[in-house]
Amino acid sequence: RKEVEQDPGPFNVPEGATVAFNCTYSNSASQSFFWYRQDCRKEPKLLMSVYSSGNEDGRFTAQLNRASQYISLLIRDSKLSDSATYLCVVTRDMRFGAGTRLTVKP
Amino acid sequence: DGGITQSPKYLFRKEGQNVTLSCEQNLNHDAMYWYRQDPGQGLRLIYYSQIVNDFQKGDIAEGYSVSREKKESFPLTVTSAQKNPTAFYLCASSGAASGNTIYFGEGSWLTVV
Repeated sequence: RKEVEQDPGPFNVPEGATVAFNCTYSNSASQSFFWYRQDCRKEPKLLMSVYSSGNEDGRFTAQLNRASQYISLLIRDSKLSDSATYLCVVTRDMRFGAGTRLTVKP
Repeated sequence: DGGITQSPKYLFRKEGQNVTLSCEQNLNHDAMYWYRQDPGQGLRLIYYSQIVNDFQKGDIAEGYSVSREKKESFPLTVTSAQKNPTAFYLCASSGAASGNTIYFGEGSWLTVV
């Protein structure tokens, strides 16, 4: 089993849709979790950290479920500019998920 | 400005040659990493270092070598033993002071010709 696994995607959604990604991890001792966004042919950039209590940043909400060992990212009111690949990372393992490709269409 | 600098951004290598990718950070981070990304794929960990003069193999270390003689620098050598080196290489660093968030350089594109 891989240390970090993500929904395979791709996700193709219309503008304004709500979309959710999940990411499971295998190391129960993992402590730090993040979501990154990667545009084509660019480096990944931090989107948001994931806290145990859940956290929200505008249209983006991240949650952590330690019991089931997964994190999630919810994007509300999708914009064309949200089109990218979204990566989760578990920093204890320093492993990234394979990424989920999101395309938001007009 | 604080950040991670990778060079060169684009590199062409002939088969059988070694090539070294540079990575320098001025974020005072203890940990540094090298990842490889193939088209349409995720990031795979090559090597990482959590402290000067120490480093560990990641998932795909074969055909690569690294050194960590200074806190700021973590160069990656792609040796001739690496069978399919053409890829996008990303250097990253993290530190406790920044909540262990991983920051990336802009990447180096290596093409074997």
